[in-house]
Amino acid sequence: DAGITQSPRHKVTETGTPVTLRCHQTENHRYMYWYRQDPGHGLRLIHYSYGVKDTDKGEVSDGYSVSRSKTEDFLLTLESATSSQTSVYFCAVAGVFPGELFFGEGSRLTVL
Amino acid sequence: QQQVKQSPQSLIVQKGGISIINCAYENTAFDYFPWYQQFPGKGPALLIAIRPDVSEKKEGRFTISFNKSAKQFSLHIMDSQPGDSATYFCAASGGNAGNMLTFGGGTRLMVKP
Repeated sequence: DAGITQSPRHKVTETGTPVTLRCHQTENHRYMYWYRQDPGHGLRLIHYSYGVKDTDKGEVSDGYSVSRSKTEDFLLTLESATSSQTSVYFCAVAGVFPGELFFGEGSRLTVL
Repeated sequence: QQQVKQSPQSLIVQKGGISIINCAYENTAFDYFPWYQQFPGKGPALLIAIRPDVSEKKEGRFTISFNKSAKQFSLHIMDSQPGDSATYFCAASGGNAGNMLTFGGGTRLMVKP
């Protein structure tokens, strides 16, 4: 357990509304990631952060923005949610060993 | 395009049997290949990993086989148990800082008692 908390765990919203998902970690990890999980696509990287105010795009960043104003918090924002953004979103932090990520328990988002 | 391709998408194995999941990659810059296990309602968790200079790694009932020339690697679960029923993801890391991973599409394994 790398002390990762995601909120909210479940959310239903309507198309066009803004949504913010929060990832909070308690162990001072430098690298944080947002992935989305969809059947058949595995986990795809949306955005990542390598420090406070340092972020970069991943594979599927269109329609998403992120912010990291404190080491412990990494926010994912959908400015105007669409049905294609219905997914399970996972936050992760990098461990000390190669290939090691610690994941949160996920946030299930449904956009109607 | 999907840089890491995983098959099969689903797998049913009898208790005590061998579960085999295969992955192929395209990017030769990948230099670390972990496998993750995910139970329903939980986040994925690191199961086992291998470097490309090693052809096989075994941890308990779990074995990774790696074929660098073919750019393929596979997970074998020996003596599969119902508790192994989960979704398995192969992944690849490009040697970048921070362990950024590219994942395969996942395999849902069901082990029947």
